[in-house]
Amino acid sequence: EVQLVESGGDLLQPGGSLRLSCAASGFTFSSYAMSWVRQAPGKGLEWVSAISGTGAGTFYADSVKGRFTISRDNSKNTLYLQMNSLRAEDTAVYYCAKPLYSSGWWRPDSWGQGTLVTVSS
Amino acid sequence: QSALTQPASVSGSPGQSITISCTGTRSDVGGYNYVSWYQHHPDKAPKLMIYDVSNRPSGVSNRFSGSKSGNTASLTISGLQAEDEADYYCASYTSSSTHVFGGGTKLTVL
Repeated sequence: EVQLVESGGDLLQPGGSLRLSCAASGFTFSSYAMSWVRQAPGKGLEWVSAISGTGAGTFYADSVKGRFTISRDNSKNTLYLQMNSLRAEDTAVYYCAKPLYSSGWWRPDSWGQGTLVTVSS
Repeated sequence: QSALTQPASVSGSPGQSITISCTGTRSDVGGYNYVSWYQHHPDKAPKLMIYDVSNRPSGVSNRFSGSKSGNTASLTISGLQAEDEADYYCASYTSSSTHVFGGGTKLTVL
């Protein structure tokens, strides 16, 4: 059974930094590209970033480009999202997601339970 | 990248059919057959209902179907059931190698 467990969410001030983690199990982690998707309070889903199975390819939404960095440690079956220069509008529940097939990160199928990031002064 | 356009809400009675539209551009919906649909109940993880415009993952009811014409994709739910009440999101791959979601549609089963 696929399991994705996010952690690292916190309350912090604007301008701060935070690293989210997503521990994966139940599948061959290194074979799958992975994504981060967020949902701000009362808002819709927003794709944030994706990374290829090897980590060589990374993709970002314009809203986070230059501030967020996605990475992975395939030896630890863990996905990361380093978030810098945080803004109030980054407040959201952050989900990590595994695609339906090993290729095509744009088909997220399995999702974690999410971790809440709150940016407020 | 602008969000895809969905109606804010739709409603239907049990047993009826409803359709939710999702309008994008040639750079996303119109340019690729990589449109997905998600069902999202509050406090639960989103569930993939349709991928690649019209394909259903294993375990998804055949009451859910997807289609696309030009820059607009559609999700149709037939034989509405109370459990279908949820938020629905479309999403598409884009020419910028990004992924874009729609604003979401709240489905109310009357």
